[in-house]
Amino acid sequence: ETGVTQSPTHLIKTRGQQVTLRCSSQSGHNTVSWYQQALGQGPQFIFQYYREEENGRGNFPPRFSGLQFPNYSSELNVNALELDDSALYLCATSKRGSYNEQFFGPGTRLTVL
Amino acid sequence: DQQVKQNSPSLSVQEGRISILNCDYTNSMFDYFLWYKKYPAEGPTFLISISSIKDKNEDGRFTVFLNKSAKHLSLHIVPSQPGDSAVYFCAASGSGTSYGKLTFGQGTILTVHP
Repeated sequence: ETGVTQSPTHLIKTRGQQVTLRCSSQSGHNTVSWYQQALGQGPQFIFQYYREEENGRGNFPPRFSGLQFPNYSSELNVNALELDDSALYLCATSKRGSYNEQFFGPGTRLTVL
Repeated sequence: DQQVKQNSPSLSVQEGRISILNCDYTNSMFDYFLWYKKYPAEGPTFLISISSIKDKNEDGRFTVFLNKSAKHLSLHIVPSQPGDSAVYFCAASGSGTSYGKLTFGQGTILTVHP
């Protein structure tokens, strides 16, 4: 069984640029959630996707957007990057009906300069 | 507005002893609680969970206790092992449209000394 994978591992961008982060779902999982983890903090919920549609959103501005594909993989896009966007971005996948038990990928470390 | 709080940034215990990690929450709509463990350079790993209809759930060396009236939960690890050294996050979820949208605490760094 393949686990949750994320790419890239690390990324450095400058303020104002756009970034796309990718997540491959664990086998059998049809729901994907994205979280932002700032240094020294716990993960913070960004949004969740199910059946290629956004299924809930946390307190993040519209410049954070996502996609889910038919194979349940997902992308997180961030436009107009700000310095405070520097964080570890985690995706987590789950089966329908087991949304609470989410399996996390290793994360993408984004640094905005 | 920190709805889930872990007030101890770190905890140090001796191998073989009990580790107790604490978590407080403020949102009374939370009805499902989880603990995750995180090693460096890895994503959080699910450890144990508890529904609000229970006050205790046990899985091997790990036991989670929930006190709804105090809005407090704790994770007990007995006996503690050096491999348990990691960051522990508690998380909470509500029902309905909030189901599956986890709210995390800040984490507690557990160090188990041989």
